[in-house]
Amino acid sequence: AQKITQTQPGMFVQEKEAVTLDCTYDTSDPSYGLFWYKQPSSGEMIFLIYQGSYDQQNATEGRYSLNFQKARKSANLVISASQLGDSAMYFCAMREGGAAGNKLTFGGGTRVLVKP
Amino acid sequence: DVKVTQSSRYLVKRTGEKVFLECVQDMDHENMFWYRQDPGLGLRLIYFSYDVKMKEKGDIPEGYSVSREKKERFSLILESASTNQTSMYLCASSLTGRFDEKLFFGSGTQLSVL
Repeated sequence: AQKITQTQPGMFVQEKEAVTLDCTYDTSDPSYGLFWYKQPSSGEMIFLIYQGSYDQQNATEGRYSLNFQKARKSANLVISASQLGDSAMYFCAMREGGAAGNKLTFGGGTRVLVKP
Repeated sequence: DVKVTQSSRYLVKRTGEKVFLECVQDMDHENMFWYRQDPGLGLRLIYFSYDVKMKEKGDIPEGYSVSREKKERFSLILESASTNQTSMYLCASSLTGRFDEKLFFGSGTQLSVL
């Protein structure tokens, strides 16, 4: 079974509008971390935001916020006030505690294109 | 800031060749990883290492091997390259294996096997 699912392969968003990227995950480990990375066309992976399984509040980093719904196992990324530079691939990823604690498992990604 | 350097940005090889992809990190990280990225499949883990000379298989290790002789360097080896190994390869590192630690990535190597 997929551990990380991103159901939106691609989406358009108007400049200055907000966009929500969906991510659901599957784990039975009580300790885990959820990450979002951005990959522009240049190829580098840029870390955006982190949410821990024990965190009581949703994470925020500037224009990025994470809508963490633990019971539903979802960790959606919200980008507010989209800019042209936000056009990129976005990946949701999870790192589990316990024996599997080393690896980061990724979803298939969502390509975002911001229109002027 | 942590720097993860991959030796080549683009590489073209022939089927059957032995291919080495090199990765170096400059922050004394314990953990290093090799992923491959294919459209629609996201990043998939090939191998990782949590210490010098230690390695563990990831989700898709077939056709690959790795070497970690020094802490800062992690090499991915394609013993006999095949066309289905044409892909983007990304190296990453993290200080430890804790679940709350992010990975730092290199810029990637786009490998084409002809």
